[in-house]
Amino acid sequence: GAVVSQHPSWVICKSGTSVKIECRSLDFQATTMFWYRQFPKQSLMLMATSNEGSKATYEQGVEKDKFLINHASLTLSTLTVTSAHPEDSSFYICSARVLRTTTSTDTQYFGPGTRLTVL
Amino acid sequence: LAKTTQPISMDSYEGQEVNITCSHNNIATNDYITWYQQFPSQGPRFIIQGYKTKVTNEVASLFIPADRKSSTLSLPRVSLSDTAVYYCLVGALNQAGTALIFGKGTTLSVSS
Repeated sequence: GAVVSQHPSWVICKSGTSVKIECRSLDFQATTMFWYRQFPKQSLMLMATSNEGSKATYEQGVEKDKFLINHASLTLSTLTVTSAHPEDSSFYICSARVLRTTTSTDTQYFGPGTRLTVL
Repeated sequence: LAKTTQPISMDSYEGQEVNITCSHNNIATNDYITWYQQFPSQGPRFIIQGYKTKVTNEVASLFIPADRKSSTLSLPRVSLSDTAVYYCLVGALNQAGTALIFGKGTTLSVSS
């Protein structure tokens, strides 16, 4: 299957600082990527849709000024958590959909996730 | 997007076959079904995907009845390493700009 990578895999930062998380599609191009957040013992929650060359689309309740998304190329999307606070501590996961020619469907592949801890 | 309903948890023993059923009563004609596996602190991993009838790959089988209002993921001869959360998702075909929405998933616990 397609490979999606994230960097860093974990990060610890002080309250009030900003943290950037990178999401890369390694063997395919993705005009659209998605960012999810997952709290302990909970399911994944969609935060935003990242569109190459245009503004991201945020889900209701997600602050666009706090979670800055940039999709500057077909293989890279970044999520910047600005002025991070302890309540932003979570597991952030990116993904992208890839067309599967064998089944004429598209499949969503996920990155390994980034664990953010804000002190 | 069609809402899915799965059992919250299931228990099994090593070597047994496990069947996890997902209900998606409002599935649309253009929707397909995908199952993912997630281990703690990892991103979801694609298991299998299908539109109708039966699909089989090297790790699982997916059974979809004619009305497509449910689907069953079948894991043959599970091992301890199959302990994970399994998600059933429904998404429209060929809409690369639309994200899949996750439900609560099924936590499978495999014991020796």
